[in-house]
Amino acid sequence: EDKVVQSPLSLVVHEGDTVTLNCSYEVTNFRSLLWYKQEKKAPTFLFMLTSSGIEKKSGRLSSILDKKELSSILNITATQTGDSAIYLCAVTIQGAQKLVFGQGTRLTINP
Amino acid sequence: NAGVTQTPKFRILKIGQSMTLQCTQDMNHNYMYWYRQDPGMGLKLIYYSVGAGITDKGEVPNGYNVSRSTTEDFPLRLELAAPSQTSVYFCASSSQAYEQYFGPGTRLTVT
Repeated sequence: EDKVVQSPLSLVVHEGDTVTLNCSYEVTNFRSLLWYKQEKKAPTFLFMLTSSGIEKKSGRLSSILDKKELSSILNITATQTGDSAIYLCAVTIQGAQKLVFGQGTRLTINP
Repeated sequence: NAGVTQTPKFRILKIGQSMTLQCTQDMNHNYMYWYRQDPGMGLKLIYYSVGAGITDKGEVPNGYNVSRSTTEDFPLRLELAAPSQTSVYFCASSSQAYEQYFGPGTRLTVT
């Protein structure tokens, strides 16, 4: 069974801290890994990582894919209260038109 | 361009009642998905469709039905509602299985 596991499930830090969120996967025929941010409502897309694009960066957020370790990390530097959200990791599989989601990491940034 | 719209936003059902959650997208995407998200959990795929007339089961299809008669619409039908179906339901669409665009969600309570 295809599985995506995120850790930690919950994280509370102070504004300005740097955080690292983890995502590991066990799937057949991996194609890509995606990160989403979910605030109050629907998830919004952050990054997609593939074999040909294993590192992405956007402002204070960056993500790396480790295909050997079957995992990915999402880093957020100089955190702000607006970064408080649930961060979801998902994996797509070759030949399958769907995503498999992890359970998410709830990140809380305290001022 | 409204993206993905869902109705209703909230609904309370009694055990055994039925209802249809509506989902419409105006991006001409072939792929559409229904997810449920239980408190503190990630997204679980209920059903998905790769085009009009084609649907397939996801991880948790029991108690639900779908149809896809047009590219734009992908309604989700709940028959004989049960308390276990209390959840937030998200519809999503994509041109491929990568970057899915999510609707605002429907919060359903079954009592």
